[in-house]
Amino acid sequence: TQLLEQSPQFLSIQEGENLTVYCNSSSVFSSLQWYRQEPGEGPVLLVTVVTGGEVKKLKRLTFQFGDARKDSSLHITAAQTGDTGLYLCAGGGYNNNDMRFGAGTRLTVKP
Amino acid sequence: ETGVTQSPTHLIKTRGQQVTLRCSSQSGHNTVSWYQQALGQGPQFIFQYYREEENGRGNFPPRFSGLQFPNYSSELNVNALELDDSALYLCASSGPGQGIYEQYFGPGTRLTVT
Repeated sequence: TQLLEQSPQFLSIQEGENLTVYCNSSSVFSSLQWYRQEPGEGPVLLVTVVTGGEVKKLKRLTFQFGDARKDSSLHITAAQTGDTGLYLCAGGGYNNNDMRFGAGTRLTVKP
Repeated sequence: ETGVTQSPTHLIKTRGQQVTLRCSSQSGHNTVSWYQQALGQGPQFIFQYYREEENGRGNFPPRFSGLQFPNYSSELNVNALELDDSALYLCASSGPGQGIYEQYFGPGTRLTVT
């Protein structure tokens, strides 16, 4: 059982569309990270959020950490085919040596 | 700057055998964490090594063990392999003071147990 629930599990959209994926938990995290993973590769860190309510922008990607530090969302504006991949969220505990991952959202952006 | 490297890239073992996977951390990084990623799942934390000592462990049995060397490279050893051990094994390194906040992953080792 994953501690972090990600939704949707799969998402297929056309290039140019906007999308939001979610990461929810009943636990409080000291930090939350988003990664993108492509087939045959390890996850690549996109962003770390540490403050409740924090919003971070990375070009067309907007990340939000919930006020209660239990959930997060990732919004992509005007998706491109290069955004295709597995998006993973991961929550860090307060002991700084354990990280729990969700099962991921598999995004496909079609041309 | 060299990134995180892992070897081998693929490995096929038989149930009951033992396996050793290797990871070289990114230059300057003194912390290595190991994860198991089953097909269709997110990575599951196995354990972390900091300055050659185990610094936290996930819910994995003792047949999963590790080492970290003075140059901060690391090994993951799995004894008495089971079919369910088939997965992508990832290591991630982080630098002093970064802990889990700034982890950089290697490409993984794909282990198949038959």
